[in-house]
Amino acid sequence: EDQVTQSPEALRLQEGESSSLNCSYTVSGLRGLFWYRQDPGKGPEFLFTLYSAGEEKEKERLKATLTKKESFLHITAPKPEDSATYLCAVQASINAGNMLTFGGGTRLMVKP
Amino acid sequence: DTAVSQTPKYLVTQMGNDKSIKCEQNLGHDTMYWYKQDSKKFLKIMFSYNNKELIINETVPNRFSPKSPDKAHLNLHINSLELGDSAVYFCASSQDLITYEQYFGPGTRLTVT
Repeated sequence: EDQVTQSPEALRLQEGESSSLNCSYTVSGLRGLFWYRQDPGKGPEFLFTLYSAGEEKEKERLKATLTKKESFLHITAPKPEDSATYLCAVQASINAGNMLTFGGGTRLMVKP
Repeated sequence: DTAVSQTPKYLVTQMGNDKSIKCEQNLGHDTMYWYKQDSKKFLKIMFSYNNKELIINETVPNRFSPKSPDKAHLNLHINSLELGDSAVYFCASSQDLITYEQYFGPGTRLTVT
């Protein structure tokens, strides 16, 4: 069974204080690992897809990296508007229906 | 323009009732999904629907049934609602079964009393 574990569950940062969110996964052949951002009362918003170990992707203050067992979402000099829940999801290569398995998320709070 | 929309946003109903949640996407996508997000914020896939092919997560009770009148719509029907069905339900879509990115709707918060 595919499993995704995210840590920490919650993270409080001061504005400008860089940090990383972790996503550990167990999957029967990784087809893709995804990062989403979810604001309160809204649906998840797609951020990145990573396909193979060693791959990195960046978007503004966010950088996602991938190894064979985990992914990190690095946040550089965060701003209050980066406050949200960040969700990690995986898709197994043997996966009918393009279904994603999500982790529990990391709730990030950035204080000015 | 809203890419993936759902109605209603909030739904309060009593145990035993039957209810439906509607989903529409204007992205021209071929594949649509339903997810359930429980009180602990875990998102779990319920269904994947592509060109009339339905793939069901085996943990979903058969009281839940998706219905697609056309490619742009995937509605969720729930029979004999139970307290444990209370959650936020999200609709999502992707270009096809090969494209990875899924785009989510705003969610429907269902409360069963």
